[in-house]
Amino acid sequence: AQSVAQPEDQVNVAEGNPLTVKCTYSVSGNPYLFWYVQYPNRGLQFLLKYITGDNLVKGSYGFEAEFNKSQTSFHLKKPSALVSDSALYFCAVRDSSGYSTLTFGKGTMLLVSP
Amino acid sequence: DGGITQSPKYLFRKEGQNVTLSCEQNLNHDAMYWYRQDPGQGLRLIYYSQIVNDFQKGDIAEGYSVSREKKESFPLTVTSAQKNPTAFYLCASSMGEGPRETQYFGPGTRLLVL
Repeated sequence: AQSVAQPEDQVNVAEGNPLTVKCTYSVSGNPYLFWYVQYPNRGLQFLLKYITGDNLVKGSYGFEAEFNKSQTSFHLKKPSALVSDSALYFCAVRDSSGYSTLTFGKGTMLLVSP
Repeated sequence: DGGITQSPKYLFRKEGQNVTLSCEQNLNHDAMYWYRQDPGQGLRLIYYSQIVNDFQKGDIAEGYSVSREKKESFPLTVTSAQKNPTAFYLCASSMGEGPRETQYFGPGTRLLVL
């Protein structure tokens, strides 16, 4: 069975500082990994995904994520946080075998203070 | 959220009543999905459909039903058998059902029980 863990319910960071939202995963085969963001009472917005190739993936709004196979992690990062980045962030994984559905983590609330 | 519409934004259900949530997409996507979101639990898959007139149960299908008569539409019915329906319901679609495909989400419907 596949699974995703987001170990932090909430991350607090000051505006202008770098931010990291952590994600670890477990799949039997090779992983396809996704990050989404959700603003209050809205749907999820796709940020970026890792399929294969370069371990550093760049996405929307200045976000990037680093795939680390040995640590089974896919942490979301941004060099300089904005107050408007405050939202709920979801990591999701799917096994490359194609017979599994997308599994989401429980989400991490990011709060960026002015 | 562009390209996927969900209605209504808020829906109230009385005891013993069936209610239907609408999901329409104009992205020409083959695959569509329904998720349930509860606070602190992430997203859980209810049903998904890879093609018209075909759909599969997800992790929490009990008390729900779907149909896929048109490519653009994937309505979800919450039946009276679903004893705890209060949640935020999200519809998503993707070009295909392959593991590399990105799922795009609608704005959601919040279901409340009277």
